Amino acid sequence: GQNIDQPTEMTATEGAIVQINCTYQTSGFNGLFWYQQHAGEAPTFLSYNVLDGLEEKGRFSSFLSRSKGYSYLLLKELQMKDSASYLCAVPMFSGGYNKLIFGAGTRLAVHP
Amino acid sequence: GAVVSQHPSWVICKSGTSVKIECRSLDFQATTMFWYRQFPKQSLMLMATSNEGSKATYEQGVEKDKFLINHASLTLSTLTVTSAHPEDSSFYICSAGGLWAKNIQYFGAGTRLSVL
Repeated sequence: GQNIDQPTEMTATEGAIVQINCTYQTSGFNGLFWYQQHAGEAPTFLSYNVLDGLEEKGRFSSFLSRSKGYSYLLLKELQMKDSASYLCAVPMFSGGYNKLIFGAGTRLAVHP
Repeated sequence: GAVVSQHPSWVICKSGTSVKIECRSLDFQATTMFWYRQFPKQSLMLMATSNEGSKATYEQGVEKDKFLINHASLTLSTLTVTSAHPEDSSFYICSAGGLWAKNIQYFGAGTRLSVL
């Protein structure tokens, strides 16, 4: 089965850097996703890591270590609009489909 | 990225009535769509996989007679919450994607259902 762990809540200051961790246990590995979800809205895609290492995309970067079952999302130069939930998710191939299994999400509050 | 449209965005209904939620892929064909449910401050829970032209695949614990899914075309999947009760009040979200999208799932805007 799949097990995904991430912190429930985090707070940070505007302009700072924050790292949101995610650990996972899966039977088979087919990459790891990060999504951003503002309250009352649908998730939006941030990143997809398949290989080890850091991938940078503007203010957001995502890191993956397959041997450690570990990923993190790094947010730089935090802005108030970055206050949201950040969801770590892994695909699970079942019944011929690649389903997404989500972690509980990390609620990030950015303060002035 | 791909565009997924979900309608309605918000619905209030009386207990015992049925509610239909539509999920459309606007700029691509989706043989598979997914339906999720989300309670406040909780993560997304996969309810079922919607398959074009065949029966949906439901996750364990999800009542298929309660949550009817129809995927009649390559661009439209519907979720009908039958005989809705207050405990069915939730945020329902659909998504679509696949290998063509490098496994990325694109989500609709979600439907907030409130059952009185």
